[in-house]
Amino acid sequence: QMQLVQSGPEVKKPGTSVKVSCKTSGFTFITSAMQWVRQSRGQRLEWIGWIVVGSGIARYAQNFQERVTITRDMSTSTAYMELTSLRSEDTAVYYCAADLGDYGDDNLYYYYGMDVWGQGTTVTVSS
Amino acid sequence: DIQMTQSPSSVSASVGDRVTITCRASQDISRWLAWYQQKPGKAPKLLIYAASSLKSGVPSRFSGSGSGTDFTLTISSLQPDDFATYYCQQTNKLPRTFGQGTKVEIK
Repeated sequence: QMQLVQSGPEVKKPGTSVKVSCKTSGFTFITSAMQWVRQSRGQRLEWIGWIVVGSGIARYAQNFQERVTITRDMSTSTAYMELTSLRSEDTAVYYCAADLGDYGDDNLYYYYGMDVWGQGTTVTVSS
Repeated sequence: DIQMTQSPSSVSASVGDRVTITCRASQDISRWLAWYQQKPGKAPKLLIYAASSLKSGVPSRFSGSGSGTDFTLTISSLQPDDFATYYCQQTNKLPRTFGQGTKVEIK
């Protein structure tokens, strides 16, 4: 079955970096768009960015533009999200999610929503 | 960025009730809207995409409608498993912004 398995919880000091992995299985990785979303305690979901796996093109939300890098490893069907210059406000649960995409009526490929989600990785930033 | 606003923020309802949640976009997003359900301590789950398409395996009591800027998620007959928080997300433009969530609580 389709599955995303994320790396384990992290505790980091302010100013350091964290890299979270997301191992995929059960679907065609190359046609998907892998996205990262975070959720601080009791807060709304916040979209961080995505990578269109086939092209390798990544795009980020403005709030994270300077500090985040999303990559993928085609050989292991794994996506990664690295966040630098961590501060206490980055304490949150980080989710990876796969948008599997589909063809529209015009035969172009579109991404409609996040079909498969990882279990979440808790990142705690504390001095 | 496109702003997404949900209402209400929370709703108290009983099993069997009909529940409607609305989501408004700050600009025209055509039908590029998804709905998710999230339970405490769990990852969200995709319910509806393209405003009204039900994801495979999702019960038919869930339905979505709307286009342009105004959208609704309806649960026709609330079941015990449906008590959760619901989020809309626009998938029209990057960044793919979410609404603030609507918590469906037991009355």
